[in-house]
Amino acid sequence: QKEVEQDPGPLSVPEGAIVSLNCTYSNSAFQYFMWYRQYSRKGPELLMYTYSSGNKEDGRFTAQVDKSSKYISLFIRDSQPSDSATYLCAMSAGYGNKLVFGAGTILRVKS
Amino acid sequence: DAGITQSPRHKVTETGTPVTLRCHQTENHRYMYWYRQDPGHGLRLIHYSYGVKDTDKGEVSDGYSVSRSKTEDFLLTLESATSSQTSVYFCAISGTGPRSDNVLTFGAGSRLTVL
Repeated sequence: QKEVEQDPGPLSVPEGAIVSLNCTYSNSAFQYFMWYRQYSRKGPELLMYTYSSGNKEDGRFTAQVDKSSKYISLFIRDSQPSDSATYLCAMSAGYGNKLVFGAGTILRVKS
Repeated sequence: DAGITQSPRHKVTETGTPVTLRCHQTENHRYMYWYRQDPGHGLRLIHYSYGVKDTDKGEVSDGYSVSRSKTEDFLLTLESATSSQTSVYFCAISGTGPRSDNVLTFGAGSRLTVL
């Protein structure tokens, strides 16, 4: 079983929809949680960064961490065609520990 | 991809040939990483470096070697390429500290095909 599980999709939604992307993990030592966005033929770029449990909001994006359930989510409100990309979750136990990535979810927002 | 340059961006080679991929950074970051990305597997760490001439293995290091003779350059070498090493390779850099070392900045990737 992988340390981080992520539904690969593809997830196809109409423009304006609310999107929910999720990851589950097995290592209870993870404390730092990230979401990276990767456009086609590009490198991943950091989208959201959270420490421990709770919510973090940045514009149309909300990252949610539930450490008790070992479950993290990324919500995208009012989705746009420009949000079409692969979204990778990543997590780490802390300083000096390497990031572990999910396999990525392909998102397609149709106009 | 500001501050990180990967070369070559595309390469087709034959089984058994050596291949070297180069990563160059202008950010003066201490940490540099090589990942490979394959469908269904996401990003997997091959090797990383925490300083000049200081390197360590990642989870999929077999068949790969690295070198870092200068802060700005990190080389990934496939001594004898195999078809299973067909992949997209990403270089990444990070700073140091409790938050910085978790935040990676990636290059644009090098697409390698081994025939």
